[in-house]
This record gives sequence, structure tokens and C-alpha cells, in this order.
Amino acid sequence: EIVMTQSPATLSVSPGERATLSCRASQSVSSTLAWYQQKPGQAPRLLIYGASTRATGIPARFSGSGSGTEFTLTISSLQSEDFAVYFCQHYKNWPLTFGGGTRVEI
Amino acid sequence: QVQLVESGGGLVQPGGSLRLSCAASGFTFSDYSMTWIRQAPGKGLEWVSYITGSGRSIYYADSVKGRFTLSRVNAENSLYLQMNSLTADDTAVYYCARDGVRGVTTFDYWGQGALVTVSS
Repeated sequence: EIVMTQSPATLSVSPGERATLSCRASQSVSSTLAWYQQKPGQAPRLLIYGASTRATGIPARFSGSGSGTEFTLTISSLQSEDFAVYFCQHYKNWPLTFGGGTRVEI
Repeated sequence: QVQLVESGGGLVQPGGSLRLSCAASGFTFSDYSMTWIRQAPGKGLEWVSYITGSGRSIYYADSVKGRFTLSRVNAENSLYLQMNSLTADDTAVYYCARDGVRGVTTFDYWGQGALVTVSS
């Protein structure tokens, strides 16, 4: 099983600032990496797949990068609606696994 | 518009069984693989099971293999998760989700979730 590790667990930022979230895989997953956003009481929302492709309707301030074992989600200028928990997920093979999440807070 | 609506959650005793349903609408259900993903209270996401559009291929997490059975009835636009031999570790919100992006196993639409509580 591929273990996904996210850091930091909590990221404190101010609106308008840049946020950089990291996700590391225990072995190479090539570019088979997705990012999701989850707000309290809501289901997750797909942000990024293929490590860097934004899903439909996702604003350009969200960008993903990386390949192999190291990945980054960048939110270029945080808006109030971006404060949430972010999860990475690999889809290299079965079982699919998620990282533990990064909470982005003010 | 795409909608996924889970039902069947509730309180069950350890060792008991429960069947979750997911009603899909707004898309051609048989064209899409579907999955269940769960989230224990205050915890992260855990993939549970996945089924292809035809139903011919099904995958399970080790934590539920042999206890959970995933199925679908395309004519009814419905997905089912039969859960047996439940333990406290199965307590979670269970989401059904659509594998919507061709060629990548990621999930573009999710239901609102069904809470399963295993407790005596």
C-alpha cells in the first residue's frame, strides 16, 4: 500500500497570502495524484488531477505540481472561501489512499 | 445536474449488518465507475470499494474485504454497499462518489454522505 503523507497538518495564513501544501508518497506514483478540498459538513470537492490539471470550474489560483513522490498544491492568493481541509489522493494502483489532510486556517 | 443521494445509514450493534444505497441522477449511470469512501468522525478520508460501470470489476480495501459487498443495478441507477460483521472501526460517514474524469481514478461528484454508527 502506498502511504501518502501531507504537511503541515495545519497551515495558518492570512487572506491574500500564498499557501503551499505538500504531499509525499511512500513510493513513486508518477503523476497519478489528485487534490480535494473539504469544508466543514460538506463532501470533498475535486480540485486537481494528474498532479497539475485543474478540475472543471476550479479557479486558476489553485495549482498543482510535482511528480514521483513529491507534490505541491499552491493557492496563489487565499480567499475567505479557501479556508478548508485539503487532501491528496494517489490513483497509481489499488488500494487508493489519501493523505491525512492539511487544514488551512486564518 | 449530477446528483448522488445516499441512504440506509444509522445505528447498528457490533456484529450487525447494514445496507447503504446511493441513488444517481443527471448522468448515464452505466457509463461511470463508482466508489464508496468513508470518513470517521474528525478523521481523514478512507477509500472503501470501487466498481466499474459494467459491474464486472470490483475492488475493496483490505479493511473491509470479506465483510462488505459492493454492487450496482444500472437499470435502477443505484449503487449498493452491503456491510456485514460491523465493528466500531466502521463508524464513519460513507460517501458515494463518481469516477468522472476519463482515464484517471478520481472523484468529481460526491453525495452528501450517510452516517453509520456501530455501537452497543
